[in-house]
Amino acid sequence: DAKTTQPNSMESNEEEPVHLPCNHSTISGTDYIHWYRQLPSQGPEYVIHGLTSNVNNRMASLAIAEDRKSSTLILHRATLRDAAVYYCILRDNPGTALIFGKGTTLSVSS
Amino acid sequence: EPEVTQTPSHQVTQMGQEVILRCVPISNHLYFYWYRQILGQKVEFLVSFYNNEISEKSEIFDDQFSVERPDGSNFTLKIRSTKLEDSAMYFCASSATLSFEQFFGPGTRLTVL
Repeated sequence: DAKTTQPNSMESNEEEPVHLPCNHSTISGTDYIHWYRQLPSQGPEYVIHGLTSNVNNRMASLAIAEDRKSSTLILHRATLRDAAVYYCILRDNPGTALIFGKGTTLSVSS
Repeated sequence: EPEVTQTPSHQVTQMGQEVILRCVPISNHLYFYWYRQILGQKVEFLVSFYNNEISEKSEIFDDQFSVERPDGSNFTLKIRSTKLEDSAMYFCASSATLSFEQFFGPGTRLTVL
């Protein structure tokens, strides 16, 4: 599996946008970029995924670099509930395993 | 909203005992997974299951582990002879065919004494 690199931690204030970066310089042409998050004491939760184009859903936006070697998860207005570990994962097929790294621990202050 | 459920929420067992962790995936999903997370560590993939057979497994999933879909709704993980290092949170997940989104359950905390 291609490797991703994320900062260990980030901090944000409530109501402010948050940009969570992920580097994946060895991504292959068939790898989709996935983001999951894990709230404290809960199971992981799907956030968003994309291949080449930027993606938006009700939770977040995913901005993918033109060369696909990096991506950014954007939370438009952080809330206290967004405090979680965010994982950037590459995966080429639905139905296959998610391989989690250490992710980025996001802290949100009021 | 449909969700994955897991029972029990907490299981305490003695080393060497067998445990069965139970999961009810979302009803129209066809892919099932088990992951585990040792306290303070990352989430680790154990096994995936599709069409009544294992489709993928990790090095962690050795002969001590087995999975089964005994009926149309349950998906179980059995650990035959538990070890202290099996203490972890075990998460079940499911996904629909051709969907990239996996839905995770709340987890079962397994404590091996």
